[in-house]
Amino acid sequence: AQKVTQAQTEISVVEKEDVTLDCVYETRDTTYYLFWYKQPPSGELVFLIRRNSFDEQNEISGRYSWNFQKSTSSFNFTITASQVVDSAVYFCALSPHGSGNTGKLIFGQGTTLQVKP
Amino acid sequence: GAGVSQSPSNKVTEKGKDVELRCDPISGHTALYWYRQRLGQGLEFLIYFQGNSAPDKSGLPSDRFSAERTGESVSTLTIQRTQQEDSAVYLCASSPDGRANEKLFFGSGTQLSVL
Repeated sequence: AQKVTQAQTEISVVEKEDVTLDCVYETRDTTYYLFWYKQPPSGELVFLIRRNSFDEQNEISGRYSWNFQKSTSSFNFTITASQVVDSAVYFCALSPHGSGNTGKLIFGQGTTLQVKP
Repeated sequence: GAGVSQSPSNKVTEKGKDVELRCDPISGHTALYWYRQRLGQGLEFLIYFQGNSAPDKSGLPSDRFSAERTGESVSTLTIQRTQQEDSAVYLCASSPDGRANEKLFFGSGTQLSVL
């Protein structure tokens, strides 16, 4: 089965706190891609990052960092020193290469992050 | 255009009516996807187009739902005899070639409300 689980439905933090959004995935494919998207109140999903299954190197981009661990099938996302503008719904998604390589994404349920001033 | 455009942005209809939702992908993108997002939930895949063909329609929830794409550009999602459970945001996305490693570019969605 192909599945993405984001167990945290809602998280609320105070500005400047660090916050980690969890993502666990299931796939039988050996080649796959993982994504994070941000959905601000405007509704349009914005791409944040893509990892392929052969690259477990963690990545940092400004205040954002991602921890990919194949051993636990997790791809967690950390925001350091959160800001009010980070308030949004965050989606983790899986694109299995073996599923006809169509680019079709399997999304988690999303985590709503609220950052309070 | 510069991004994926969807129209209308909001649609209110009465139960039993038909509705058409439109998506204009980024010019040159061969792959186009429709997703549905119910309130407070994740995105459900509906259908995938490669060019004007739809090799994956596995997410269409019933035969009341159909979609077409013409000119390898505009796509229309049609819902016939709408039901209240069809109320949701319908999101369209496109990508250059439809490969598994490509990021999708999303529109802002059509909020459909069925009364």
